[in-house]
Amino acid sequence: QVELVESGGGVVQPGGSLRLSCEASGFIFGQKGMHWVRRAPNKGLEWVAHIRDDGTVKSYADSVKGRFTISRDNSRNILYLQMNSLRVDETAVYYCAKDRYGTNFEFPDYWGQGTLVIVSA
Amino acid sequence: QLLVTQSPSASASLGASVKLTCTLSRGHSNYVVAWHQQQPEKGPRFLLKINTDGTHNKGAGIPDRFSGSSSGAERYLTISSLQSEDEGDYYCQSWDTDVVFGGGTKLTVL
Repeated sequence: QVELVESGGGVVQPGGSLRLSCEASGFIFGQKGMHWVRRAPNKGLEWVAHIRDDGTVKSYADSVKGRFTISRDNSRNILYLQMNSLRVDETAVYYCAKDRYGTNFEFPDYWGQGTLVIVSA
Repeated sequence: QLLVTQSPSASASLGASVKLTCTLSRGHSNYVVAWHQQQPEKGPRFLLKINTDGTHNKGAGIPDRFSGSSSGAERYLTISSLQSEDEGDYYCQSWDTDVVFGGGTKLTVL
């Protein structure tokens, strides 16, 4: 069965950096696009970024463009999110999600359990 | 710009049915949507996708109690025979140049 396990969350100061990882199993990782989605306390889900199956095309929400970088290692079945210049309002649980398709994004059909990022002085 | 609008809350009694509504912004009334469920303290789960012809395709293991339909710019998620574990947040999602989530509907099972 599909399994997505996020790691790398923690406490970071405003302006700091953090790298999240997501280990995938149960499907052919290199054939599916992948997303990062976050949920801040008392808020709804917010899409962060998507990367296509071969890693050549990446898309970002306007709120993170220029600061966050999504990447993947298809040889190790791992998805990453490098987060720089973090802001207090980016405190959230970050979820890794598998897209239904490989190339253009459509919708996540499997989700991880999330990893908590706290941005605080 | 694609916007997805949901009512913030809904409630229904145990064993009853509830219909959650998602509205697509003007110019996007023929877009496909996906519904996702998030139970308290859990990761989200994909429920179903509603196609442009109003049919739906469910995710793996999703019970028959969950169904989808559409009318114009509105997309509906109907949950029948409500159970206590159906309580949680429900998100409608579509995509254009970005992936867009609605604000979510908090469902309370009375």
